[in-house]
This record gives sequence, C-alpha cells and structure tokens, in this order.
Amino acid sequence: AQSVTQLGSHVSVSEGALVLLRCNYSSSVPPYLFWYVQYPNQGLQLLLKYTSAATLVKGINGFEAEFKKSETSFHLTKPSAHMSDAAEYFCAVSDLGGGSNYKLTFGKGTLLTVNP
Amino acid sequence: DGGITQSPKYLFRKEGQNVTLSCEQNLNHDAMYWYRQDPGQGLRLIYYSQIVNDFQKGDIAEGYSVSREKKESFPLTVTSAQKNPTAFYLCATQDKGNTIYFGEGSWLTVV
Repeated sequence: AQSVTQLGSHVSVSEGALVLLRCNYSSSVPPYLFWYVQYPNQGLQLLLKYTSAATLVKGINGFEAEFKKSETSFHLTKPSAHMSDAAEYFCAVSDLGGGSNYKLTFGKGTLLTVNP
Repeated sequence: DGGITQSPKYLFRKEGQNVTLSCEQNLNHDAMYWYRQDPGQGLRLIYYSQIVNDFQKGDIAEGYSVSREKKESFPLTVTSAQKNPTAFYLCATQDKGNTIYFGEGSWLTVV
C-alpha cells in the first residue's frame, strides 16, 4: 500500500527566503508523485508531477521538486518566497503498478505562511 | 469553458435530510472522484468511477452514495446515515496521464 508523509503541518518563512516543504512516500512499485496547491475555499491546483523521466521536476510559479529514490523523498522548493505563495500544499503518490488509471493517496498537507 | 463544475458552492442540510452535490465535467475524462476534506486531515477518498455505469467505494464511503449514468456527471448524495457530514467536498477527474484535476469544491454544513 502506498502512503505519503508531509513533515510539518505548518511552515513559516519570510518573503524572499527559501521555501522547503518536505514529502516522503512509500510505494511498492515506481511511483508517480505530485504536488498540489490549495488557496482558501478553492480546489487543488497541480504544481508539478514526477513520472520517472527527469528526477528534478520544474513546476508553475517557480516551484521545483527533486525525486530521490534512495531517500524516498520528493521535497518541494522555491528559491524566494512571495506573499502570494501563502497557501496549503499537498503531496500525493499514485501507484501505477495496477497498470491503469488509479487513485492518488494524499498527504495531510502543509500550510505555508509568508511573512513580510 | 473547459473544466469541472461543482454546485452548489454552499449547501445547508437539516438533520435527517439527504442532499446531493453536483459534479459536471467537459474534459472528456473517464475517471472521476469524490474527496472529503476536513481541517488537518488532508483529502479522503469517498467514491471513484473509472467508467460510465461503474463505481467503487473509497476509504470513507459509509453514508454516501453516487451514480455514473453519464460520462460528464458524477453526483454525490450525502445521506442521513452520514453522522458528521459537515466538510468541504471536492470532485475531481483524471486524465490518461494519471493527473488529477479538481473542481472548486462545495461546502456542506449541517444546521
């Protein structure tokens, strides 16, 4: 069974500082990994997706994530935080061992606060 | 405009009442999902459907029902058997690359 652990339910950074949101996963087969962002009262928006091509994945809004198989990690980073980055971020894993469309398993989310 | 439309955005339910949340998509995706979101708990899967006229229970299906009579539509009924229905409900579709796309969500409150 697949699972996702997001370390830190709340991360606070200053504007212009590095953003690092941590995600570790477990999966019995090579996974697909995702990061989503959610603004208040809205649905989730895809930031980026790892699909076993390049291990460093670039997404929207200047975010990127690196897949590290040895550490079973997929941490999300952004070099310089903007006030508009304040939101909740979700990591998710999809087990494609079944060979067809399949459900994602989500982490519990990390709330990012950006201080002026 | 392409996408996923959930309605209503806000819904109030009286004790003992069934309510239905609508989800319509024009993305031509086969797979559709319903998630429930509670603060601090992330997203939990209620039901999913990979094709018309077929659907499967997720992790928290008790007290909920769905139908999938058309590819475009996947309504969720919250029945009176669901004892704690107050939550944010998210409908989603999945493309053939396994990316999931979400609607804007519906708030359900018990009054």
